[in-house]
Amino acid sequence: SYVLTQPPSVSVAPRQTARITCGGNNIGSESVHWYQQKPGQAPVLVVYDDIHRPSGIPERFSGSNSGNTATLTISRVEAGDEADYYCQVCDTTTGHFYVFGTGTKVTVL
Amino acid sequence: QVHLVESGGGVVQPGRSLRLSCAASGFTFTNYGMHWVRQAPGKGLEWVAIIWYDGSSKYYGDSVKGRFTLSRDNSKNTVYLQMSSLRAEDTAVYYCARTSDTAAPADYWGQGTLVTVSS
Repeated sequence: SYVLTQPPSVSVAPRQTARITCGGNNIGSESVHWYQQKPGQAPVLVVYDDIHRPSGIPERFSGSNSGNTATLTISRVEAGDEADYYCQVCDTTTGHFYVFGTGTKVTVL
Repeated sequence: QVHLVESGGGVVQPGRSLRLSCAASGFTFTNYGMHWVRQAPGKGLEWVAIIWYDGSSKYYGDSVKGRFTLSRDNSKNTVYLQMSSLRAEDTAVYYCARTSDTAAPADYWGQGTLVTVSS
């Protein structure tokens, strides 16, 4: 099945920029969605279809996708952004509808 | 507003069965497919299954295929996950989430229900 690889952790100082990568074979040809999950809470969609933000998600969250890597960028990081982040694609060819990345823990220093 | 509420979790012995429910409100239930996604303690997200908006198609992840069964009652705005032959590795928080299309994201999630499989 399709494998999505993320770095286990990313550390960033407040007001700096965090970049979370999601690697997959030719992922640039897929639509990538990103979820934020804070401890004890359900995941929240923060970016969908590579670059779009749901209503209510700050503009500080942005996405890109090309080649073998998709990236979630969090600008001007705040303490409240500390969470786990997961990328996700749809892989209907194998019947595994949702494939999630391994997850990245973002720590705000 | 959109509300998804899971119920039915608990402690169950290996080999036994359990049925989870996900009650939806705040949107037109029959316009959405519904996913189940689980998360073992301290682990990442794992997709479990999806049921089409009208219940006509269902798909399952490899780890639950043949043991879990999805259904939905559109008159009650509820989707069900019947879990049988439970194993220790099925221990997880189970989330239901809605989606507007097969390749669309899960835009709203419930708060989850914990299933613990233990003797």
